[in-house]
This record gives sequence, C-alpha cells and structure tokens, in this order.
Amino acid sequence: DTGVSQDPRHKITKRGQNVTFRCDPISEHNRLYWYRQTLGQGPEFLTYFQNEAQLEKSRLLSDRFSAERPKGSFSTLEIQRTEQGDSAMYLCAVPEQGPYEQYFGPGTRLTVT
Amino acid sequence: QKEVEQDPGPLSVPEGAIVSLNCTYSNSAFQYFMWYRQYSRKGPELLMYTYSSGNKEDGRFTAQVDKSSKYISLFIRDSQPSDSATYLCAMMSDYKLSFGAGTTVTVRA
Repeated sequence: DTGVSQDPRHKITKRGQNVTFRCDPISEHNRLYWYRQTLGQGPEFLTYFQNEAQLEKSRLLSDRFSAERPKGSFSTLEIQRTEQGDSAMYLCAVPEQGPYEQYFGPGTRLTVT
Repeated sequence: QKEVEQDPGPLSVPEGAIVSLNCTYSNSAFQYFMWYRQYSRKGPELLMYTYSSGNKEDGRFTAQVDKSSKYISLFIRDSQPSDSATYLCAMMSDYKLSFGAGTTVTVRA
C-alpha cells in the first residue's frame, strides 16, 4: 500500500443522497489529485490541489461535486444528489517521490442504487 | 478519438512468456510516461516512469518510448502468474495524468 489512505473503502447509497469521501496522505505533499475510474476504463482526472488551493477542475466535475483541502493535508470529495452514473471508483493520488510520479490510494468504490 | 489508446485485450500467456503491451497517443504535450499495474478492486500501482525516448529497465520490466511515433510499450520478461493484472499506460501534461483503458493480462501456470 502507498502512503495514502481513503475512507470509506466502499459506499453504497441510494440515488439522491449526498456522500463524502476522505483522502489522507501519510506525509505532507503540496499536491493532491482526485480521479474517477469506471468499470473497464482507466482513471479520469477530476481535480487537483496545490496546498489548500484547488487549481483545476475537469469538466467531469459537475456542480454536484465539490472538493476541499482545508489545511493542505487531507482532502474531501462530496457528491450531492447522487445519480446512478456516479457509480465508480474514486481515487486519490499524491506525488510521493517527485512532482511527476503519482501514487494512488486504494480508492473508494461508490455504488448508487 | 481518445488522447490515449490502449488495446483492452484480454491477453493470456503461459508462464515464462514475454508480455508485450502498447499504447499510442495523440497529444504532443505529453512529456512523462508511466505504466501502472492494477489488481482487481485495488488502486493503480506505479511500475515504471520515464520522460525521454528510449528504453528503461527495472528488473523484469522494460518501458520503451518513441515520441516521434507517439508510441509507448511495456515488456514483461519471464512472466509469472502473479503478474496477472490490468496494466494501464498513463501520460502526463500539466501535472495531470491521462490514462489508457487498460489491458487485462492473465499468465497461466
């Protein structure tokens, strides 16, 4: 396992409910990334933080999605009014050994019923 | 057309065979190239990382990049059943990764 933990590991929710995921890097990293991976596809970039600042958001990140990194350490990703299309693995990554190498956490698997 | 194309396979080889995986890309802004391994229901694990054209070796793994052809490869020598996984190519531009769809590899004992 890398130095990134994610909680919860699996979340089952009903359509229309709000969910929040957490990413906790073990050590300090100025950058933190969120990706989403659907079945049979590679991860897709959602957003990233430089310390507390959210620097870029993908067009995949609709208004129902919000991400924060309040103290520049852990990060949360919230999805409001979940839809079945939100079912995916949500992955967090940090550059552990250099700015170009991203190491992923175990992911949070979201199932929207 | 996707920025990164990867044959999804599946690929099945006998133990000890060489596994050959490939990706092509269209975005010339990609400067850094990675290969990840992903086991079922786990996060991707970084295997190899390179930024220049040419070959890079790490144990049984060799990564090859040809920027002029926009083509990257990963070779796994002396493949083992424990190498059975999905292999993802990834490319970086502006600190963001773009992934291929992944190739599922099974190494038969």
